[in-house]
Amino acid sequence: DARVTQTPRHKVTEMGQEVTMRCQPILGHNTVFWYRQTMMQGLELLAYFRNRAPLDDSGMPKDRFSAEMPDATLATLKIQPSEPRDSAVYFCASGLAASTRVEQFFGPGTRLTVL
Amino acid sequence: GIQVEQSPPDLILQEGANSTLRCNFSDSVNNLQWFHQNPWGQLINLFYIPSGTKQNGRLSATTVATERYSLLYISSSQTTDSGVYFCAPGGDKIIFGKGTRLHILP
Repeated sequence: DARVTQTPRHKVTEMGQEVTMRCQPILGHNTVFWYRQTMMQGLELLAYFRNRAPLDDSGMPKDRFSAEMPDATLATLKIQPSEPRDSAVYFCASGLAASTRVEQFFGPGTRLTVL
Repeated sequence: GIQVEQSPPDLILQEGANSTLRCNFSDSVNNLQWFHQNPWGQLINLFYIPSGTKQNGRLSATTVATERYSLLYISSSQTTDSGVYFCAPGGDKIIFGKGTRLHILP
């Protein structure tokens, strides 16, 4: 059945290293979202794309985070250099926007630990 | 931006009990979803409900958009219902509340 996939599911890295997280949205969905979940901040929107174009990345620390959609089947979130405060679960979600409405479906998340 | 308030923050119930979770939001919305985050961290779609009432088995939800609130009803609770329930209203961007943590005792 159709679902959002994310890789890797778990990542442990050292401070200063580059981290790349990948997301495959549900086929046919035109909107992709990146979220971060921490105990302190809860679920926060980092960035989202529609038809592969970035619409809003105001939730993302610009100096070290970048998000792209190289094609309709792949979204990436990169952190360079990573810091311990980036430790969190990163979720990707996708949806099919129709007018002002879009229902989001979430992937399983990538649990990132930065030592 | 839109403010989201969920209540109660925590709820402990015996298996078989019914419960009502509430979500208040501060602005008009085009989208509203309810999610269940299970103990393994998965976010499961329960309802897409910017207005009206929907039912799915033991769960139902009602959103009164004009009064800016949504309710999630869980009947005959089971231990598998344990987890955190999030309400997420908004426009293109949905904003997650802090959630209601539900613990169902066997």
